[in-house]
Amino acid sequence: QVTLRESGPALVGPTQTLTLTCTFSGFSLNSDGMCLTWIRQPPGKALEWLARIDWDGDKFYTTSLKTRLTISKDTSRNQVVLSMTNVDPEDTATYYCARTQADSYDDIMTGRKIYFYYMDVWGKGATVTVSS
Amino acid sequence: DIVMTQSPLSLPVTPGEPASISCRSSQSLLDSNGRNFCDWYLQKPGQPPQLLVYLGSIRASGVPDRFGGSGSHTDFSLTITNVEAGDVGIYYCVQTLGIPWTFGQGTKVEIK
Repeated sequence: QVTLRESGPALVGPTQTLTLTCTFSGFSLNSDGMCLTWIRQPPGKALEWLARIDWDGDKFYTTSLKTRLTISKDTSRNQVVLSMTNVDPEDTATYYCARTQADSYDDIMTGRKIYFYYMDVWGKGATVTVSS
Repeated sequence: DIVMTQSPLSLPVTPGEPASISCRSSQSLLDSNGRNFCDWYLQKPGQPPQLLVYLGSIRASGVPDRFGGSGSHTDFSLTITNVEAGDVGIYYCVQTLGIPWTFGQGTKVEIK
C-alpha cells in the first residue's frame, strides 16, 4: 500500500524559511519511473504545482518560485524535502506531496523514449500559515 | 507558462443526468505521437485531489467508466454520465506537457 505524509511547521514567520518533509512508503524513489511532486493550495483557491524530483535525481520547479524553492530526496529514509525561502503571507496554503509515475512510449520518428507523468497517490496535506 | 482555462466554474447537476466540464489550454497539448498531455483530477470536500484521467482519455485505475476524458490540441472535456451524489467536489484539469505543470481554476460540481 502506497502512503505519503506531509509534515512541517503549522506557523512560520514572514521572511523565514519553510521546510516541509514528505515521508512515503510502498514505493522507492530509486525505482525507474518514480517521481515525487509538491503541489499547494491557498485557502479557497486552485491547486498550484511547485516542484518535482525524479528517480534519476532530475529536479524541476515552477517558474515564479524557482529562486526560492529547493527539492531534495533521501532515498534511504524514504523522504523528500521541499524548502521555501523568504516566505510571505501569500505562501499560506495546504501543501501536498504526490507520488508521480513516469511511463513512456517510443517516439515514432526517433525511437527515443517520451515520458508522460501522472500524480496517482496524494498525501493528506500539511496546512501552513505565514504570519507574524 | 501554459494557461489552462476551465468552464464553467460552477456546475449544478442532477443525479442521474450527464455533466460536462471544459478545459482550454493556451498552447496545444498534442505531441507528435498523437498523445494529449491533459489530465483530470477530482478534489472531494476535505480530501486531497484524486487522479481521474491522464493523457486526455485514459481512466486511472479504479475510476468508474462513468468518467470520460476527450479532446485534443487545446480543447478538452471531462464528461460524467449518470452523475452520482458522491461525484460532488472540484474538478481540475492540468497540463503536463511543459514545465511548469499548470492547473485550471477548478470547476465546482454540486447537486441541485
